[in-house]
Amino acid sequence: AQKVTQAQTEISVVEKEDVTLDCVYETRDTTYYLFWYKQPPSGELVFLIRRNSFDEQNEISGRYSWNFQKSTSSFNFTITASQVVDSAVYFCALSEGYGGYQKVTFGTGTKLQVIP
Amino acid sequence: GAVVSQHPSRVICKSGTSVKIECRSLDFQATTMFWYRQFPKQSLMLMATSNEGSKATYEQGVEKDKFLINHASLTLSTLTVTSAHPEDSSFYICSAPTGRNYGYTFGSGTRLTVV
Repeated sequence: AQKVTQAQTEISVVEKEDVTLDCVYETRDTTYYLFWYKQPPSGELVFLIRRNSFDEQNEISGRYSWNFQKSTSSFNFTITASQVVDSAVYFCALSEGYGGYQKVTFGTGTKLQVIP
Repeated sequence: GAVVSQHPSRVICKSGTSVKIECRSLDFQATTMFWYRQFPKQSLMLMATSNEGSKATYEQGVEKDKFLINHASLTLSTLTVTSAHPEDSSFYICSAPTGRNYGYTFGSGTRLTVV
């Protein structure tokens, strides 16, 4: 069974600080996808990144970066120089199998509050 | 591209009535649609998976007679909450795999309040 753990329920940082959101996953499949989504107060899910299990290369997109380590089953997300607009709930998610038609299991989310 | 339009965004209904939520894929064919429910300050929990032209698959603990899912076409899936009760008040969100780089696209969600 697949499982995603986000141990940090809430994090508060002061604007311009860096912050890392942790994500640990469990799966028996060798092929799987990992995701990060942002959910602002309005509720919609904003896609941030998708990673497949065969690609451990870290990724940077602007102020966002992701560190994928299969050895520790972790897929952590770092926001550099945080801004107030980054305040939201962030979900890490996992989808097993190949083809993109498998259900997505979400972690419990980390609420990030960036204080001006 | 790959947009899922979900309506209504908010609905308030009286206890005992039924509410229908629609999710339409606008520029792609959604052969599969996932339906999630999110209670306040909680994660998204998968309720059911619908496939066009066949019966939906419900997750354990989800009442199929209460949450009716219809996926009659490649662009429309509906979730009907029948005989709604206050405990059904939640945020419902649909998702379809797109087969593109981001994998899945989500509707904007429906906030249901049963009074």
